[in-house]
Amino acid sequence: KAGVTQTPRYLIKTRGQQVTLSCSPISGHRSVSWYQQTPGQGLQFLFEYFSETQRNKGNFPGRFSGRQFSNSRSEMNVSTLELGDSALYLCASSLRLAGGGHEQFFGPGTRLTVL
Amino acid sequence: AQSVTQLGSHVSVSEGALVLLRCNYSSSVPPYLFWYVQYPNQGLQLLLKYTTGATLVKGINGFEAEFKKSETSFHLTKPSAHMSDAAEYFCAVSPQTGANNLFFGTGTRLTVIP
Repeated sequence: KAGVTQTPRYLIKTRGQQVTLSCSPISGHRSVSWYQQTPGQGLQFLFEYFSETQRNKGNFPGRFSGRQFSNSRSEMNVSTLELGDSALYLCASSLRLAGGGHEQFFGPGTRLTVL
Repeated sequence: AQSVTQLGSHVSVSEGALVLLRCNYSSSVPPYLFWYVQYPNQGLQLLLKYTTGATLVKGINGFEAEFKKSETSFHLTKPSAHMSDAAEYFCAVSPQTGANNLFFGTGTRLTVIP
């Protein structure tokens, strides 16, 4: 099976612009989660989508939004970019485990640089 | 609330030496526990996980971890370090409530000295 794919891999934007990142999960996975990774804050959960519905949300401002399509592909959008939004954005698709919980499979990430 | 503490942001070991990366969690109910590895410019790869059952968990690349409820710990070990083990390692927890989100520690960068 193909792994989680994220496009684009690298992006450079300027302050005030908006950006859309895309994630294609592993075939058959219906849950997609997004994380932000920065040197200062580490890995932080943004949100999770399941069957086109946002199921969980982290503590990020409303400038960060996402959606999921019927084929489970997901996009996240960041509006009015700030310098502090420069980060590696990771997408993960999930498989429910027999013993409980989920196993998350991560994509390679999109490196966003805001100038 | 869930939280994860990884002691030591940087760990250096000699090639062939024991690797020990520490992880402690804070949770009122034992969560599900994971160790991930991240190589430069790449995403996260799962090394191993604990959900239920045997508390000593074996993962890929010779790594293992032991869940100790009394110590709220899930330390990662490998008997003999290889140069290829140099990477950043993250401990993560997810709640047993069914919420599918991971809480990560701040990471430990492992350097292997030849």
